[in-house]
Amino acid sequence: DIQMTQSPSSLSASVGDRVTITCRASQSISSYLNWYQEKPGKAPKLLIYAASSLQSGVPSRFSGSGSGTDFTLTISSLQPEDFATYCCQQSYSTPRTFGQGTKVEIK
Amino acid sequence: EVQLVESGGGLVQPGGSLRLSCAASGFTFSNYEMNWVRQAPGKGLEWVSYISSTDSNIYYADSVKGRFTISRDNAKNSLYLQMNSLRAEDTAVYYCAREDVYSAASFDYWGQGTLVTVSS
Repeated sequence: DIQMTQSPSSLSASVGDRVTITCRASQSISSYLNWYQEKPGKAPKLLIYAASSLQSGVPSRFSGSGSGTDFTLTISSLQPEDFATYCCQQSYSTPRTFGQGTKVEIK
Repeated sequence: EVQLVESGGGLVQPGGSLRLSCAASGFTFSNYEMNWVRQAPGKGLEWVSYISSTDSNIYYADSVKGRFTISRDNAKNSLYLQMNSLRAEDTAVYYCAREDVYSAASFDYWGQGTLVTVSS
């Protein structure tokens, strides 16, 4: 199985900050990397697919990059509604493994 | 509007069974692969099972293989997860999720989830 490792596991940031989250795969997954936002009591939301493609309706302050084994999710200017947990997922092979999540908290 | 609505969760004793359902609307259900994903309390997301659009391909996580069965009824726009021999570690919110093969097989729509609690 492909292991997905995110860092950091949590971070504190202020509104307006630039935030970067890293996801590393245990083997090459090409660009089959997706990012989701999780909020308590709500369905997970797809933000980025194929490493760098912005899902329809997602604000442009969210961006993704990387290929192979190393990927990043960047929020260019953190907004109040962005405080949530962010999770990466590989869709290169089955099982479709997820990272452990990065909780973005208010500083 | 795409909607996925799970049902069937609840409290069950260890060794018991439950059948989860996911009602789909707002899209042509028979054209899409579907998945079940779960999240245990305080834990991250865990993929559980996949079924192709025509149910010709089915996969399971090792943690549920031999105990859970995924199925679908395209005529009823519904996805199912039959869960047998339930264990405490199966306690989680279970989500159904649509897979979009044109977007790197990402899960582009999710339901709100249904809570399964396995406890005596």
